[in-house]
Amino acid sequence: GAVVSQHPSRVICKSGTSVKIECRSLDFQATTMFWYRQFPKKSLMLMATSNEGSKATYEQGVEKDKFLINHASLTLSTLTVTSAHPEDSSFYICSARDVGGQGGDTQYFGPGTRLTVL
Amino acid sequence: AQKITQTQPGMFVQEKEAVTLDCTYDTSDQSYGLFWYKQPSSGEMIFLIYQGSYDEQNATEGRYSLNFQKARKSANLVISASQLGDSAMYFCAMREDSGGYNKLIFGAGTRLAVHP
Repeated sequence: GAVVSQHPSRVICKSGTSVKIECRSLDFQATTMFWYRQFPKKSLMLMATSNEGSKATYEQGVEKDKFLINHASLTLSTLTVTSAHPEDSSFYICSARDVGGQGGDTQYFGPGTRLTVL
Repeated sequence: AQKITQTQPGMFVQEKEAVTLDCTYDTSDQSYGLFWYKQPSSGEMIFLIYQGSYDEQNATEGRYSLNFQKARKSANLVISASQLGDSAMYFCAMREDSGGYNKLIFGAGTRLAVHP
C-alpha cells in the first residue's frame, strides 16, 4: 500500500521559534498533499491543500503567514510553523493524494507530528 | 449542516463479536467517495475501506465491510470478529468530486473499545 512519512514525529520548541515539518510520499507521486491539525479527542481539521509547483490553498481562518507550505516536488511537502506560540501546540498530520490508489483517488496519511511550544 | 455525521461518540464490543459504526452523509453531488479510517492511540490515520457513489456492491476488505445505503445516505462500517487491536478511533470521511483537489470531509469520529 501507499506509504507516507512525516518528520519529525515529535518536536518541542521555545515560543518564537519556527518549526518545519516534512511530509513525503515514499512509493507514489503526489501532486496534491493536505495538512491537517487535530486537537485532543477531536476530528481532523483541514488547514490547507498543497499543490506541487503552485501556491497552497488555505482554509478559512488559517493564517497563511503563520503556516507556510511548500510543495517543491511530487513527493515532498513542508509545513513551517513560523514564530510558534503555545496555542500552536497540536498534532499536525499530512496526507498525500494517490490518484492511482484504491478507489482511484485515496488520501494516505503520515504518522503525524506532535508539536509542543513552551 | 454537517456533511458527515457519526452519532456514536463511543462504542463497546466484546471480542470476536461484530460491531457496526454509523455514518451518514449529506451531499448534492452525484459523484463522491466514502472512506473509513482508523486512528489508534499512536495517532496515525490508517485507511480501511472505500466506497464509490457509483459502486453497486458494498465494499469489503477482510474483516471490514461497508454497508452502503445510497437512498438513506448512510455508509456504516461493519467490523466482524472484533479483535483487541481494533480498539481505536474510527473516522468516516467523504470526498465530493465536484470540488477542486478532492478534499476529504471528516466526521467527529467514534471511539471503539473491544473488551476481552
